[in-house]
Amino acid sequence: LAKTTQPISMDSYEGQEVNITCSHNNIATNDYITWYQQFPSQGPRFIIQGYKTKVTNEVASLFIPADRKSSTLSLPRVSLSDTAVYYCLVGATTIYNQGGKLIFGQGTELSVKP
Amino acid sequence: IAGITQAPTSQILAAGRRMTLRCTQDMRHNAMYWYRQDLGLGLRLIHYSNTAGTTGKGEVPDGYSVSRANTDDFPLTLASAVPSQTSVYFCASRDSSYNSPLHFGNGTRLTVT
Repeated sequence: LAKTTQPISMDSYEGQEVNITCSHNNIATNDYITWYQQFPSQGPRFIIQGYKTKVTNEVASLFIPADRKSSTLSLPRVSLSDTAVYYCLVGATTIYNQGGKLIFGQGTELSVKP
Repeated sequence: IAGITQAPTSQILAAGRRMTLRCTQDMRHNAMYWYRQDLGLGLRLIHYSNTAGTTGKGEVPDGYSVSRANTDDFPLTLASAVPSQTSVYFCASRDSSYNSPLHFGNGTRLTVT
């Protein structure tokens, strides 16, 4: 099971691009990388997922280098409402690959200031 | 609205008492999970279930038990609560299709006194 390491906290200002990097040195061949966002008093919610190279959706971009030992979540032009905790999760592509265990890291607390 | 329902929303419990946290999903997801979240420690997996009738231990299973009698329900039981079990508990589920993400409930805030 791949262990993930992220910065504990980051500060940014409105309108800036924010990049949060997650290290996962022992990622397995079948593992995908998924990022979640959590606001206070709510459960985490899915942001973006990828296997390699670059993935982009309406919310964020995910950059994954060829060795897949790290990934970077990019949030373009953040606003105050992007203040949240962001989690990187590395896990199997289906629940049958590794017994279903999905282990989160500590997450990155992003604070966006005006 | 489809999703995960957790109950109760919050609870204060005396140490030594038994408590069951309820989790129900209406998305027909095969896999379900229980996490606890403590300040500074992120989300820690307690137990999980790949499909109805099966369960597995996560990172911090001691003091907790689960059952999965059907697809929709995944209750978490504290047989004899202790203060260290004070936490916010999140239930999650996901489909067995390729690369499906986790869907979370809004949590149960439990205080053991």
